[in-house]
Amino acid sequence: EPEVTQTPSHQVTQMGQEVILRCVPISNHLYFYWYRQILGQKVEFLVSFYNNEISEKSEIFDDQFSVERPDGSNFTLKIRSTKLEDSAMYFCASRAGTGGKPQHFGDGTRLSIL
Amino acid sequence: QQQVKQSPQSLIVQKGGISIINCAYENTAFDYFPWYQQFPGKGPALLIAIRPDVSEKKEGRFTISFNKSAKQFSLHIMDSQPGDSATYFCAASRAQTGANNLFFGTGTRLTVIP
Repeated sequence: EPEVTQTPSHQVTQMGQEVILRCVPISNHLYFYWYRQILGQKVEFLVSFYNNEISEKSEIFDDQFSVERPDGSNFTLKIRSTKLEDSAMYFCASRAGTGGKPQHFGDGTRLSIL
Repeated sequence: QQQVKQSPQSLIVQKGGISIINCAYENTAFDYFPWYQQFPGKGPALLIAIRPDVSEKKEGRFTISFNKSAKQFSLHIMDSQPGDSATYFCAASRAQTGANNLFFGTGTRLTVIP
């Protein structure tokens, strides 16, 4: 069964540094998402991406965040200047189309900001 | 604003028993209600989902009950097994809009005792 893959599984970064989290969505999917989960808390929506542009973003997704689909397979989340509160699990998800098609999640990248 | 409320926070059930997790939502525009199962170190995995035009959906031991007028839905796990021990998240979205980003509940940690 095709799956969403995320790299790295764990990223440790100094506060203030830039970090890029990478995702390879399922190949025929059209919608792409980033969510985050602070330890012990619920999963929170960050941003959705369709047709090479952002569809929707949450209040969390401020100017420090950006997303990109640099080629036909990768989907990246960049945090420009990391803060301690960015420490969380970041999940990428993808979906085939509209109308309630399910989102498939990767296993996440644990981001630790020191 | 907490769009989806979930209870209980944790649940302990004997093997063979019924596990019941409840969720309530606020936004009447939501029209897609999935349940996700998450094991430690893994991403959320879709378990079962329902649309508001039906009041119940069953897949194997898992059943969603949906009450549109009360804006509530619940997950029932029949014949609970130790392998069901995981965190369960309800979610809601507006499936007919393009983005379909998910709003998650706060999660229920289920422990099934052998």
